[in-house]
Amino acid sequence: EPEVTQTPSHQVTQMGQEVILRCVPISNHLYFYWYRQILGQKVEFLVSFYNNEISEKSEIFDDQFSVERPDGSNFTLKIRSTKLEDSAMYFCASIDSGTSGFYEQYFGPGTRLTVT
Amino acid sequence: QKEVEQNSGPLSVPEGAIASLNCTYSDRGSQSFFWYRQYSGKSPELIMFIYSNGDKEDGRFTAQLNKASQYVSLLIRDSQPSDSATYLCAGRNDYKLSFGAGTTVTVRA
Repeated sequence: EPEVTQTPSHQVTQMGQEVILRCVPISNHLYFYWYRQILGQKVEFLVSFYNNEISEKSEIFDDQFSVERPDGSNFTLKIRSTKLEDSAMYFCASIDSGTSGFYEQYFGPGTRLTVT
Repeated sequence: QKEVEQNSGPLSVPEGAIASLNCTYSDRGSQSFFWYRQYSGKSPELIMFIYSNGDKEDGRFTAQLNKASQYVSLLIRDSQPSDSATYLCAGRNDYKLSFGAGTTVTVRA
């Protein structure tokens, strides 16, 4: 069964460093997302991406964040200058063209980011 | 702020019993609702979705939606120890999901 994959599974970085989190969405999917979950808190929407551009972003997704689809398979989240409060699980998700009409989102296994 | 609220839990049920999870939402523009199961340290796993008023059954799971009351629920019948997890309710508006904080369920053997 196709699945969303993410690398690395765990990233440790120092405050102020740049990190890039990588995702490979399911191959025929067209909409891509990043969510984050701080330990013990709810899953929060960061950004959605469609047709090679951001379609929506949350207040969390400030100028320190960027997303890119550098080729036909990868989808990346970059944090330019990490802060302690960026420590969280980051989940990538994707949905298909919506042919089912219900837009079920499938989540990758996540990247645990630890900022020290 | 488009909120999704879930009953706080934790919820402890004996094996074989019914676990009942509730969720309310404030965004009337939400088009469909999803229940995810999340084990500790893992990603959310889709259990089922519902978009029309009424009940929807899938195996041991039944989702209920009442748009007038802005209420969604999930029933887990014949609960098994493997059902012990945190259950997340999410509402979809356009293409993004808004999640509740989750209800942790423990099934006692």
